[in-house]
Amino acid sequence: AQTVTQSQPEMSVQEAETVTLSCTYDTSENNYYLFWYKQPPSRQMILVIRQEAYKQQNATENRFSVNFQKAAKSFSLKISDSQLGDTAMYFCAFPTGGNKLVFGAGTILRVKS
Amino acid sequence: DGGITQSPKYLFRKEGQNVTLSCEQNLNHDAMYWYRQDPGQGLRLIYYSQIVNDFQKGDIAEGYSVSREKKESFPLTVTSAQKNPTAFYLCASSSGQGPPNYGYTFGSGTRLTVV
Repeated sequence: AQTVTQSQPEMSVQEAETVTLSCTYDTSENNYYLFWYKQPPSRQMILVIRQEAYKQQNATENRFSVNFQKAAKSFSLKISDSQLGDTAMYFCAFPTGGNKLVFGAGTILRVKS
Repeated sequence: DGGITQSPKYLFRKEGQNVTLSCEQNLNHDAMYWYRQDPGQGLRLIYYSQIVNDFQKGDIAEGYSVSREKKESFPLTVTSAQKNPTAFYLCASSSGQGPPNYGYTFGSGTRLTVV
């Protein structure tokens, strides 16, 4: 079975500092995409960043970047210069069975002022 | 603006009742999904549909039913057979019928509570 594991149920970070959220996954597929979603207190799911598995270069979107280690099946999210608005639950996800996403259990991130 | 609309935002169900959650999209997406979210857990797939008039069970389909009569609409019925329906329900869509390479677009969710 294809699974996604987020080993950090909760994390906190001071405003303006950097934090890294971990995600590991298990798949037998070769070409796939990986995603990080953010769910703020409004509960609206927002796509944060997307990584193509066949690209060696790590994806970056403004203050968000990933550290993708394909051989280790690791896909961590780094948030630089953390802001209060980054407080949310973060989910990593990837496609399974070719056409649907499986999600990790999530990491609650609290940014403190 | 294109997007996904879920209604209602809050729904209360009495024991033994069936209730239907609405999900409508105007993104011209082929695929639509229903997920359930419980506290402390990730999203679990209930049903999905890649094309009109076709749908497949996800990991937790028991006690739920769906239909896909129109491309834009994918309603979810929570039946009385679902013993623990209190949860947050999310509808999502993606373009194409293959892998969701650009991820999903999500609705804003429906909070269902059994009273």
